[in-house]
Amino acid sequence: QQQVKQSPQSLIVQKGGISIINCAYENTAFDYFPWYQQFPGKGPALLIAIRPDVSEKKEGRFTISFNKSAKQFSLHIMDSQPGDSATYFCAASTYGGATNKLIFGTGTLLAVQP
Amino acid sequence: ETGVTQSPTHLIKTRGQQVTLRCSSQSGHNTVSWYQQALGQGPQFIFQYYREEEKGRGNFPPRFSGLQFPNYSSELNVNALELDDSALYLCASSLGGLNTIYFGEGSWLTVV
Repeated sequence: QQQVKQSPQSLIVQKGGISIINCAYENTAFDYFPWYQQFPGKGPALLIAIRPDVSEKKEGRFTISFNKSAKQFSLHIMDSQPGDSATYFCAASTYGGATNKLIFGTGTLLAVQP
Repeated sequence: ETGVTQSPTHLIKTRGQQVTLRCSSQSGHNTVSWYQQALGQGPQFIFQYYREEEKGRGNFPPRFSGLQFPNYSSELNVNALELDDSALYLCASSLGGLNTIYFGEGSWLTVV
């Protein structure tokens, strides 16, 4: 019940295209859903996050779509650029007790071809 | 830059040895968490410290231990190192119970 399932494992997109990464969760207590971007040899960087009271959040070229009833959320990268090539992780957390730990998906390796 | 700094960046240890990793949290952040990221995997929660107390722990054995200091910096200690402990160890900081969590660049540990 603590898992976050992420797909696809890898994704190749042409420059200017739309990259879509999907995640699903089981634990309905999750109340915060961030996406992290990680370049090789670096730590994960917070990209964008959403709470379950909204269905969509957009920041620049990055959009999170959230479907509470289906317990699914997705990241859309519009006008994908070669510089977006990285590993993307979805995550979920719940503030239970005093711990706001993140449960991560398995990651999606995105390659944007020029 | 997240303001979360970790040291050392890389280290190699022998099986059975002990290691200490260090982290300085982002200014003003009083909560520090540690995660283990094996190659090709997502980060796994080890534990979290708030006001110098351990507030939550993931599925890691007791040989993984930590400390948080009054200035909110933190240490991760791993005793009796095993080959499977080879991973990127990430420190993350946040403010109290807020969900926004920022990661450092990590410490790469190789156990041989």
